[in-house]
Amino acid sequence: KNQVEQSPQSLIILEGKNCTLQCNYTVSPFSNLRWYKQDTGRGPVSLTIMTFSENTKSNGRYTATLDADTKQSSLHITASQLSDSASYICVVTPGTDNYGQNFVFGPGTRLSVLP
Amino acid sequence: DVKVTQSSRYLVKRTGEKVFLECVQDMDHENMFWYRQDPGLGLRLIYFSYDVKMKEKGDIPEGYSVSREKKERFSLILESASTNQTSMYLCASRLVGVGYGYTFGSGTRLTVV
Repeated sequence: KNQVEQSPQSLIILEGKNCTLQCNYTVSPFSNLRWYKQDTGRGPVSLTIMTFSENTKSNGRYTATLDADTKQSSLHITASQLSDSASYICVVTPGTDNYGQNFVFGPGTRLSVLP
Repeated sequence: DVKVTQSSRYLVKRTGEKVFLECVQDMDHENMFWYRQDPGLGLRLIYFSYDVKMKEKGDIPEGYSVSREKKERFSLILESASTNQTSMYLCASRLVGVGYGYTFGSGTRLTVV
């Protein structure tokens, strides 16, 4: 069964600190992996997309990594800000999904950044 | 940027009412989706549509129906709202093809009392 797991479930850090969120998946065949940020009470917004051949991709203070061999991804946040407080959702697209109905969502990691 | 607009941020409805949640996208996306999001359960697909007037059931269609009369608009209908349908509802759209991601709306927080 295609699954996406994320850890930790929740995380509290102080402003200015770095953190790393983990995503493990069993989706096969694999097409791509996305990280979304979801602010409380809002819809998710895409941060990065990783394809099979990509190992690292950055978007400002966010850096995503992908190890397709071990089926793991991480999202590293550098110099955290209060506005980084949100849920981060890992989403994997199966290689056979043309219409998008089979996206596999992780449960999310809830990040709280404290002053 | 693609915009997906959900008509209401917050809704409070009574048990048994018929509820319409509206979603409009402005970038000619073929595919549209309705999800609900609940704590501990993540996002679950209710229905999706791959073209005008076409719809397919997702993982949890019971108690819901959808309508897509125009390409840009996808409506979710709760025929007779129940308290277990209290949830965050998210609409999304995307282009056809492997590799394209979702653009989500801002969500509608529905409370059924």
